[in-house]
Amino acid sequence: EIVLTQSPGTLSLSPGERATLSCRASQSVSSSYLAWYQQKPGQAPRLLIYGASSRATGIPDRFSGSGSGTDFTLTISRLEPEDFAVYYCQQYGSSLPFTFGPGTKVDIK
Amino acid sequence: EVQLVQSGAEVKKPGESLRISCKGSGYSFTSYWISWVRQMPGKGLEWMGRIDPSDSYTNYSPSFQGHVTISADKSISTAYLQWSSLKASDTAMYYCARHGQLGFDYWGQGTLVTVSS
Repeated sequence: EIVLTQSPGTLSLSPGERATLSCRASQSVSSSYLAWYQQKPGQAPRLLIYGASSRATGIPDRFSGSGSGTDFTLTISRLEPEDFAVYYCQQYGSSLPFTFGPGTKVDIK
Repeated sequence: EVQLVQSGAEVKKPGESLRISCKGSGYSFTSYWISWVRQMPGKGLEWMGRIDPSDSYTNYSPSFQGHVTISADKSISTAYLQWSSLKASDTAMYYCARHGQLGFDYWGQGTLVTVSS
């Protein structure tokens, strides 16, 4: 099983700041199958990034993904008030079982 | 418009059985996998397993294999998650999600399952 580790656990930032979230895999993940999701309280997760760097439909361009192999990054260039949430990375095609990271909470400083 | 609509919240006793559902609409139901994801209170996301609705082929996470059953009825575009004997530790929110190569792109609204004596 591929274990995903996310850091930091919590990121405290102000609106307008840049957020950099890390996701590390215990073994190489095909970039084609690394995704990022945003989840707000009481809501289902929402797909932000698939294939490590492709934005899902309707996702603002302040969200970007990068990385390959075992190291992946989600960057939010300028935090908007609606971006404060929990973010999960996921590998969904490299190998079964699919796995999620434990999440990074981005909260308001 | 693509939608996945899940059945409503359930309150059950330990040892009881349960089946929850996820109905797809707005797309070809047999063209995408459906996965089930658990979220225990205050915790992260856990992938439970998936089904190909075209032939009902399934994969399970080892953590859930043998404890739940995933099935689908393509004639009514509905996937199911089933327990034969619930435990208190099954208390969680359960999500279904559609996926292909482009990630888990559509999610149901979630079904809250509470198991308590």
